[in-house]
Amino acid sequence: GIQVEQSPPDLILQEGANSTLRCNFSDSVNNLQWFHQNPWGQLINLFYIPSGTKQNGRLSATTVATERYSLLYISSSQTTDSGVYFCAVVYFGNEKLTFGTGTRLTIIP
Amino acid sequence: DSGVTQTPKHLITATGQRVTLRCSPRSGDLSVYWYQQSLDQGLQFLIHYYNGEERAKGNILERFSAQQFPDLHSELNLSSLELGDSALYFCASSVEITQETQYFGPGTRLLVL
Repeated sequence: GIQVEQSPPDLILQEGANSTLRCNFSDSVNNLQWFHQNPWGQLINLFYIPSGTKQNGRLSATTVATERYSLLYISSSQTTDSGVYFCAVVYFGNEKLTFGTGTRLTIIP
Repeated sequence: DSGVTQTPKHLITATGQRVTLRCSPRSGDLSVYWYQQSLDQGLQFLIHYYNGEERAKGNILERFSAQQFPDLHSELNLSSLELGDSALYFCASSVEITQETQYFGPGTRLLVL
């Protein structure tokens, strides 16, 4: 079936470290978004990136649509980066976002 | 702040009751989506409205219904509530359909006791 897989499921890092989160999807997509869910439950848009590369401050993302994966890079991690990172896609022929199971990131001071 | 507003932020109710969750999309957005986040099911799509018309349904229970009004705000009605309906309910909006960023509201946290 249609799946969105994220890895790793959990990541614990020291403040200042860099990290790479991966999202694999099983079919062609016309929408891919990365979100950060903070400890209060709020879903924050990070990137809309169905293809290509984008950067926003310490965060950047790359989607290789032909190989069906996306990567989220976080550099110089801060404690406020802690939370769960979700990848979500809209498959062709669909209108809904299908979410991955998330990567729980914990940044230790 | 995404520009999407949801009320109430928290809701505590009893089994068998009915509640209404409200969502106001970003100014100019015609699409409204509802999603449910529960511990065991993760984030799941419930229903999508575009300019007042229902566009798509996900795994939405028959006890749940929604509508989008002429001013584009939307309401999600949950009836005959069960313990398992306890979850975080998100509304999202976008300008059009599919190839657009969906912006999420802060969510309504529902607890059914």
